Amino acid sequence: DSGVTQTPKHLITATGQRVTLRCSPRSGDLSVYWYQQSLDQGLQFLIQYYNGEERAKGNILERFSAQQFPDLHSELNLSSLELGDSALYFCASSVVYGVTEAFFGQGTRLTVV
Amino acid sequence: DQQVKQNSPSLSVQEGRISILNCDYTNSMFDYFLWYKKYPAEGPTFLISISSIKDKNEDGRFTVFLNKSAKHLSLHIVPSQPGDSAVYFCAASSNAGNMLTFGGGTRLMVKP
Repeated sequence: DSGVTQTPKHLITATGQRVTLRCSPRSGDLSVYWYQQSLDQGLQFLIQYYNGEERAKGNILERFSAQQFPDLHSELNLSSLELGDSALYFCASSVVYGVTEAFFGQGTRLTVV
Repeated sequence: DQQVKQNSPSLSVQEGRISILNCDYTNSMFDYFLWYKKYPAEGPTFLISISSIKDKNEDGRFTVFLNKSAKHLSLHIVPSQPGDSAVYFCAASSNAGNMLTFGGGTRLMVKP
């Protein structure tokens, strides 16, 4: 158990809909990262928050947004969903600002039908 | 532009033998490298890391080698065990960066 909790584990939704994925980082970790893994491909970095502020942005679509709340949990919002958004979405957390080692949650499998 | 590449999508090894997983990178700003292991239906778990000031780091059966001039790192698993069967990702970060850049992964199968 990495200590990072993601909910829900599975999500099935229709095209055009909006979903919210939730992540609770390890106790004490201030940094939260979101990654997308499509069809057994590599992990694509989406976005990072540190102590409530956005710190880095990767290949995140404009239809996607995220935030980190005062209690440090984070949410990834995906809107106007398309079939190609079907993927595993991972959240990771680390204690420091710069990445050394990040701990991953079990992921949310999103299926868009 | 893939900054971290794992050119072998899969590798099959006999139990007890050595497994060597390779990773190449292009960004010379990377100065910290990690290997993660991922089982199906689970998130990646940290395995071992190496800083660019070193060329080798060892942890039990796992050793990571870094060749900065070649921009290449490798993970050696000796001896390989069936429980090592998983997808292995290498990742890299830079001191100035805030994220891990991952390779595409190599699926390791250790046969009994």
